[in-house]
Amino acid sequence: GENVEQHPSTLSVQEGDSAVIKCTYSDSASNYFPWYKQELGKRPQLIIDIRSNVGEKKDQRIAVTLNKTAKHFSLHITETQPEDSAVYFCAAPTSNTGKLIFGQGTTLQVKP
Amino acid sequence: KAGVTQTPRYLIKTRGQQVTLSCSPISGHRSVSWYQQTPGQGLQFLFEYFSETQRNKGNFPGRFSGRQFSNSRSEMNVSTLELGDSALYLCASSPWTGRGGTFGSGTRLTVV
Repeated sequence: GENVEQHPSTLSVQEGDSAVIKCTYSDSASNYFPWYKQELGKRPQLIIDIRSNVGEKKDQRIAVTLNKTAKHFSLHITETQPEDSAVYFCAAPTSNTGKLIFGQGTTLQVKP
Repeated sequence: KAGVTQTPRYLIKTRGQQVTLSCSPISGHRSVSWYQQTPGQGLQFLFEYFSETQRNKGNFPGRFSGRQFSNSRSEMNVSTLELGDSALYLCASSPWTGRGGTFGSGTRLTVV
């Protein structure tokens, strides 16, 4: 089936702490996993993505890890800052059609 | 480089009417995907067009349709509007199919 489960739905951390958001996908042939950040009233923006032939990818304070066996991938944000507060979405394509299925979103609040 | 442009930004329609939304992708991008965003359902995939061909379609009724022109601009049409069609409609463009890509600012549709 086509399903991407995202947890938690809300996450509150203190500034400077780390935040982890996890997504589980159902299609074992999915090969591309993007993460989007959507600030209030703005468009979703791609912040990092990973392909299925890579286990981890980092970009400054953001990293994504992929476990193909368990069919889950996670977003890690270190040294969180108030401007990291937003809704984060994961996504995965279906293998047979390629359409992108989004998770339900995680609202991250970083308290100063 | 210009981003993804969606018009109009806001729209108010009456039940039963039809509406057409427009999306101009980033120059050179041949894929345009459309999504419906609502607070309860998150980001729902509508359809994707690539080189004027519909590549994928989400689980929406036939009232939702789209097309893509030779210059990659895309339009989405919703006929016989229902109150539940009120949402933010986002399009995203990408050089490749099944990649989500760069989102536009969206069209906020309100059906009364």
